[in-house]
Amino acid sequence: ETGVTQTPRHLVMGMTNKKSLKCEQHLGHNAMYWYKQSAKKPLELMFVYSLEERVENNSVPSRFSPECPNSSHLFLHLHTLQPEDSALYLCASSQDAAGEVDEQFFGPGTRLTVL
Amino acid sequence: GQNIDQPTEMTATEGAIVQINCTYQTSGFNGLFWYQQHAGEAPTFLSYNVLDGLEEKGRFSSFLSRSKGYSYLLLKELQMKDSASYLCAVRDSNYQLIWGAGTKLIIKP
Repeated sequence: ETGVTQTPRHLVMGMTNKKSLKCEQHLGHNAMYWYKQSAKKPLELMFVYSLEERVENNSVPSRFSPECPNSSHLFLHLHTLQPEDSALYLCASSQDAAGEVDEQFFGPGTRLTVL
Repeated sequence: GQNIDQPTEMTATEGAIVQINCTYQTSGFNGLFWYQQHAGEAPTFLSYNVLDGLEEKGRFSSFLSRSKGYSYLLLKELQMKDSASYLCAVRDSNYQLIWGAGTKLIIKP
């Protein structure tokens, strides 16, 4: 148990649907992250939140919209996705302690398929 | 641009030793991480290097040479459960992790 949970674990949606991914961390961390993982490609950092403020948005299309209502919860709202958005979406958290190891703890991911 | 290179796949025998290499070119350096990811599971933290040299943690060791932009992960006394992907990541000048594509390690009996 890594202390980071994600729901749903699997999601199939059409290109016109709207859905949301949820992440919750039980570790008391200050930073949360959304990553996209496609087969045989490096993890792509999408968004970073530190103390509920977005600090990084790596040129992600506007059809992905993050929300961080508090330091324990992170959402990724999806709308009008494309088939190439099919991937594993991973949430992670870290203490956000400058100068420390500050390793990231990952959730199990949501396997998203866009039809 | 920023780049992390590691082999796509490696095969080793149970009980043997395997070394997984990682080379990097990044804007700044604030530490190098190795993570393990079993198929269908979350990546889990294995090791961290920020100074040159070897860090040992049980059967796993990680080495760093900052001047060469090079690291390796050494796995000893391989077990079947070590079959997984191993991800190398470098923290850049903005304290963001830049990830390699991962090395899939296959352990054979």
